[in-house]
Amino acid sequence: QKEVEQNSGPLSVPEGAIASLNCTYSDRVSQSFFWYRQYSGKSPELIMSIYSNGDKEDGRFTAQLNKASQYVSLLIRDSQPSDSATYLCAVNMGTNTGNQFYFGTGTSLTVIP
Amino acid sequence: DTGVSQDPRHKITKRGQNVTFRCDPISEHNRLYWYRQTLGQGPEFLTYFQNEAQLEKSRLLSDRFSAERPKGSFSTLEIQRTEQGDSAMYLCASSLAGGPYFGPGTRLLVL
Repeated sequence: QKEVEQNSGPLSVPEGAIASLNCTYSDRVSQSFFWYRQYSGKSPELIMSIYSNGDKEDGRFTAQLNKASQYVSLLIRDSQPSDSATYLCAVNMGTNTGNQFYFGTGTSLTVIP
Repeated sequence: DTGVSQDPRHKITKRGQNVTFRCDPISEHNRLYWYRQTLGQGPEFLTYFQNEAQLEKSRLLSDRFSAERPKGSFSTLEIQRTEQGDSAMYLCASSLAGGPYFGPGTRLLVL
């Protein structure tokens, strides 16, 4: 079983719509969760972190965490063509793995003008 | 630019040769990570340093890979006797706490 799973997509949304990206993880003791954006040919860029159950908003981005369901999501409101990228979910899984961050394979998002 | 830097950005080598990559983390960051990424995959953990101590190393990492971080500043990743399967983007990242910040990566092609 993969530690972090994401729907690889591709996900297409029209400009101005809400894009919803989902991620599930296997380790119940996971403590911290992150979303990265990766443009083609570039390295991942940290865009959101979330540590507690509930929602965390930062501009057009909202991260949602549900530890009971082992589920984390990213909502992008008012999607723009510049949001077209691959979004990676990363999880820091518990103390027995020290400081390893496990990444999903990413969801490819295309925002259609 | 005060972000993570990596050198070289691109490396082409022949199978069997040794290669070394350098990473300079964000100056105040004590944690440094090396990851490898291939097309269509997420970054795969290779190793982690806290200051100069190498605290974790992936079980998937063969003995051909070695990393150092002398004096807790820059880090080097060496791959000995390269194989075609080593072709990938090698990413360095650093953090003080929380999620790591990635450098631009070194793209390795083994012919």
